[in-house]
Amino acid sequence: AIQVTQSPSSLSASVGDRVTITCRASQGVRTDLGWYQQKPGKVPKLLISAASSLQSGVPSRFSGSGSGTDFTLTISSLQPDDFATYYCLQDYKYPLAFGGGTKLEIK
Amino acid sequence: EVHLVQSGGGLVQPGGSLSLSCTASGFVFNSLWMSWVRQAPGKGLEWVANIKQDGSEQFYVDSVKGRFTISRDNAKNSLFLQMNSLRAEDTAVYYCARENMVRGIWQGFDYWGQGTLVTVS
Repeated sequence: AIQVTQSPSSLSASVGDRVTITCRASQGVRTDLGWYQQKPGKVPKLLISAASSLQSGVPSRFSGSGSGTDFTLTISSLQPDDFATYYCLQDYKYPLAFGGGTKLEIK
Repeated sequence: EVHLVQSGGGLVQPGGSLSLSCTASGFVFNSLWMSWVRQAPGKGLEWVANIKQDGSEQFYVDSVKGRFTISRDNAKNSLFLQMNSLRAEDTAVYYCARENMVRGIWQGFDYWGQGTLVTVS
């Protein structure tokens, strides 16, 4: 099974900061990786699919990049609404696998 | 508007069984794969299983193979998860989720049910 390692597991940042979260797959997954945001007590929200395709309605400060084994989610200028937990998901091969999550907290 | 409304769940003893349901509306249910995703208390997301549009293919995470069965009834726009031989480590909030495709490219889980708690104790 493909393992997805996400880092960091937690991150403290301030409003306006640029933040980068990384996912590394244990084998190449082409660009078959997406990113999700989850706030406490809420269902996850799809942000980015196919490594870099921003979903409709998602602010342009979010961007994704990467292919093969290394991927990044970047938030260009943190807003108060962005403090949440972020997960990546590889959909290249079964079983589908989420990264462990990155909890983004206010500094 | 797309809605996924879940039912089922609750408290069950180890070794017991439980069934979850997810009723879809607002889209052509039989046109998309559907999945179950779970989240143990305070933990991350884990994909559990999915099923093809016509029910002819299913895939599972190794930890539930042989114990859980995913199925669907397209006439009733419904998705199911039958969980047998439940273990304490199956305790989680279970979500149904729609797998969207756009121009043949898998987009991910774009709509989710509200989640239902399964407690094995």
